[in-house]
Amino acid sequence: QKEVEQNSGPLSVPEGAIASLNCTYSDRVSQSFFWYRQYSGKSPELIMSIYSNGDKEDGRFTAQLNKASQYVSLLIRDSQPSDSATYLCAVNIDYNTDKLIFGTGTRLQVFP
Amino acid sequence: EAGVVQSPRYKIIEKKQPVAFWCNPISGHNTLYWYRQNLGQGPELLIRYENEEAVDDSQLPKDRFSAERLKGVDSTLKIQPAELGDSAVYLCASSRRTGVDEKLFFGSGTQLSVL
Repeated sequence: QKEVEQNSGPLSVPEGAIASLNCTYSDRVSQSFFWYRQYSGKSPELIMSIYSNGDKEDGRFTAQLNKASQYVSLLIRDSQPSDSATYLCAVNIDYNTDKLIFGTGTRLQVFP
Repeated sequence: EAGVVQSPRYKIIEKKQPVAFWCNPISGHNTLYWYRQNLGQGPELLIRYENEEAVDDSQLPKDRFSAERLKGVDSTLKIQPAELGDSAVYLCASSRRTGVDEKLFFGSGTQLSVL
């Protein structure tokens, strides 16, 4: 079982819709969770971090964490074509060593 | 503020040749990471430095890969000899310190093609 799993997509949504990206992780002791956005041919950039169960909102982005279900998601409201990218879920699986494990990413396509 | 700088941007070599990548982290960032990203995959950590010390190199293939971070600033990652399977994007990242909530800043990466 992979430590961090994501559906590779592509996830296609129309402009203005809500895009929902999901991620599951295997290590129950994981403490920190991150979403990175990576445009084609570019490097990843951090867009959200979440540490506690529940929702965290930042502009059009909402991260949701459910540690009991080992599930973290990213919602993008009012999706724009400029949101088209690969979204990488990253999990800190070992608090003591600060080791960040990335998922394979979900490719999002927002069409006009 | 300048970001993480990497060079070269692209590198094409023949197998068995050596290759080196260079990284200059953001000023003041004590922690430096080298990641490898294969096509369609997420980044995989190769090595992490805290200042000059390599604190996590468990994923570094030490028979052919080496890295150094002299004076705790710039870092170089070397492969000798390169194999076909080493073709990937090599990403350098830095953060102010090691910590579960520390934000990583990535460089633009070096795309390596081994022929």
